[in-house]
Amino acid sequence: GQNIDQPTEMTATEGAIVQINCTYQTSGFNGLFWYQQHAGEAPTFLSYNVLDGLEEKGRFSSFLSRSKGYSYLLLKELQMKDSASYLCAVIKAAGNKLTFGGGTRVLVKP
Amino acid sequence: SQTIHQWPATLVQPVGSPLSLECTVEGTSNPNLYWYRQAAGRGLQLLFYSVGIGQISSEVPQNLSASRPQDRQFILSSKKLLLSDSGFYLCAWVGLNYEQYFGPGTRLTVT
Repeated sequence: GQNIDQPTEMTATEGAIVQINCTYQTSGFNGLFWYQQHAGEAPTFLSYNVLDGLEEKGRFSSFLSRSKGYSYLLLKELQMKDSASYLCAVIKAAGNKLTFGGGTRVLVKP
Repeated sequence: SQTIHQWPATLVQPVGSPLSLECTVEGTSNPNLYWYRQAAGRGLQLLFYSVGIGQISSEVPQNLSASRPQDRQFILSSKKLLLSDSGFYLCAWVGLNYEQYFGPGTRLTVT
């Protein structure tokens, strides 16, 4: 099976940086995804990492270390609209399915 | 561009009543399609996925079923709803790198 762990909740200040960690244990790993989900809405795709290293997209960056089974999502210059849950998900090689972590709720305070 | 539709947006149903939720995709052919359920404050639970017409894989034994009568249509059903079926139901399709794109969801409350 697959085991994916993320912190339940984090709080940060507007303009600051927050790092959301995700650790996973799975055989046949083939990629890791991050999604953003605002309260009451569907998740939206943020990033995909399949190789080790950092992927940057504007204020959001995602990092992967396959050997450590570890990823993080970095949110810079936090804005109030970044208050949401952030979901980490893993896909196995030749797989059709994503397995999601429980999500990390980020609260941005003024 | 691809779009995914779900209806209804919200639904309140009594225990023991039937259920039918519909998902349709536009702008793509033969997509992999998925049904998830999200209980309040929880993560996403994969219920069913389909790689083609009439092909359904079930992930969790329960009183729900799924069907794919057409290439871009995916239906979630139940003959008798339970209280525990309440939740946010999401349909998704898969992009080129296996990333999944979600529909707007159906919020189901079983009373």
